[in-house]
Amino acid sequence: NAGVTQTPKFRILKIGQSMTLQCTQDMNHNYMYWYRQDPGMGLKLIYYSVGAGITDKGEVPNGYNVSRSTTEDFPLRLELAAPSQTSVYFCASTLWTSGIETQYFGPGTRLLVL
Amino acid sequence: KQEVTQIPAALSVPEGENLVLNCSFTDSAIYNLQWFRQDPGKGLTSLLLIQSSQREQTSGRLNASLDKSSGRSTLYIAASQPGDSATYLCALQSGGSYIPTFGRGTSLIVHP
Repeated sequence: NAGVTQTPKFRILKIGQSMTLQCTQDMNHNYMYWYRQDPGMGLKLIYYSVGAGITDKGEVPNGYNVSRSTTEDFPLRLELAAPSQTSVYFCASTLWTSGIETQYFGPGTRLLVL
Repeated sequence: KQEVTQIPAALSVPEGENLVLNCSFTDSAIYNLQWFRQDPGKGLTSLLLIQSSQREQTSGRLNASLDKSSGRSTLYIAASQPGDSATYLCALQSGGSYIPTFGRGTSLIVHP
C-alpha cells in the first residue's frame, strides 16, 4: 500500500489565485482529514469527512472547500489565496470503528502565498 | 472542549539519557491517546496508541502511560539516541468525538 499520498509537495501562489491540494489513500479508510500546521502552533483541523459524500467543517474552515466523491480521494480547494494561508497542509485518514484505530498522515504540502 | 498541553515545548539532552515527555489533557472522557513522531519537513508517524482501558503501551525503547484520573500521559524514551531527535506530539480522541485533539508538541534534540 502507498498509504496517504499528497500532491504537490510544494507550491507558490500569488494572492487571489486558486488551487487544489490532492489527497489519496489506498487503505479503504472511511475517515479523512485536512490539517494545517503553522510553526509552533500544532495541527489545526480544516475539514474532515466520515465517508464518501459526507464532509464537515473543522476548527479553521474559512477560505477552504472540500469534496469527497470517492472513498479514496479528499481534495482541498483554496479559492482566493491569501498570505494567511501560507502553511504546511497535511492530509490524514483512519479506519474508525471502535476508537482503536490510528491516523495515517501524508507527507504534507508546503504552500507559500505571496 | 478538550485542551491538550505538552510541556516542555523543547528539550535538549545528551545521548544515552533517559527522558520523559509530558502530555496533559482537561477532559478524561477519551477513547484513546496516541503519541506521534514528526521529523523536520515530514508528516506524522504514529508511535504508540493507548486505548482508554489501558494503562500503558511499549514499543522497543518507548513506553507510553496513561492516567485518565489525573489527565496525564507520559512518553518515556530509554537510552536516547541522536536518531530520536524529532518533534513528539500527543493526540486524544475524546468521548463522543472522532476528531483527535493535538498538542503543540515537544521538540527533542539528542546531541552526541
